[in-house]
Amino acid sequence: NAGVTQTPKFQVLKTGQSMTLQCAQDMNHEYMSWYRQDPGMGLRLIHYSVGAGITDQGEVPNGYNVSRSTTEDFPLRLLSAAPSQTSVYFCASSPRTSGAVHNEQFFGPGTRLTVL
Amino acid sequence: KNEVEQSPQNLTAQEGEFITINCSYSVGISALHWLQQHPGGGIVSLFMLSSGKKKHGRLIATINIQEKHSSLHITASHPRDSAVYICAVLWRGFGNEKLTFGTGTRLTIIP
Repeated sequence: NAGVTQTPKFQVLKTGQSMTLQCAQDMNHEYMSWYRQDPGMGLRLIHYSVGAGITDQGEVPNGYNVSRSTTEDFPLRLLSAAPSQTSVYFCASSPRTSGAVHNEQFFGPGTRLTVL
Repeated sequence: KNEVEQSPQNLTAQEGEFITINCSYSVGISALHWLQQHPGGGIVSLFMLSSGKKKHGRLIATINIQEKHSSLHITASHPRDSAVYICAVLWRGFGNEKLTFGTGTRLTIIP
């Protein structure tokens, strides 16, 4: 299993450009999430999905869109990049929580995005 | 606002020392994760616990639900343990889709 993969690893954008960060997992996990990590702050949830066709907003969703057409893929779209979106982005997945049973979360390697 | 606090923010120790990293949170949780982020940036899950204690090799994680506090201990620390250690909580009623993270503890082990 490849686990959680993210592409690209690095990206530089100009203000106003759009792009899609790719995330895929091959573990058949229902839950997938996107986080951003900024210096001095904990990871913050952007959007998440509890299954194909179901997405919801996290703590910092503005400026980002997601979709979940398949269990495997959860792309994050930046609609019009801004310097404030300069960050490291992590995708994560885990099996569905079942009652009181919570599961380990698996993280992708991250994408370092710079917006000029 | 539900919060997660870690201490210390930075910790430097000599090889072989016993290390303790603390995590406290504001309201009831379902479970707590301890994660490790290496200098290369990748994040791996070390432990997930909702009560008591777990051990894996030289790492031990404990949680006290009543006191809203968890600790991560490293015995016989080694330079390869140098990393950022992050705690993350699942607030009661939510699952892994809505973790809240602490800001991390940067650990440096000097040979």
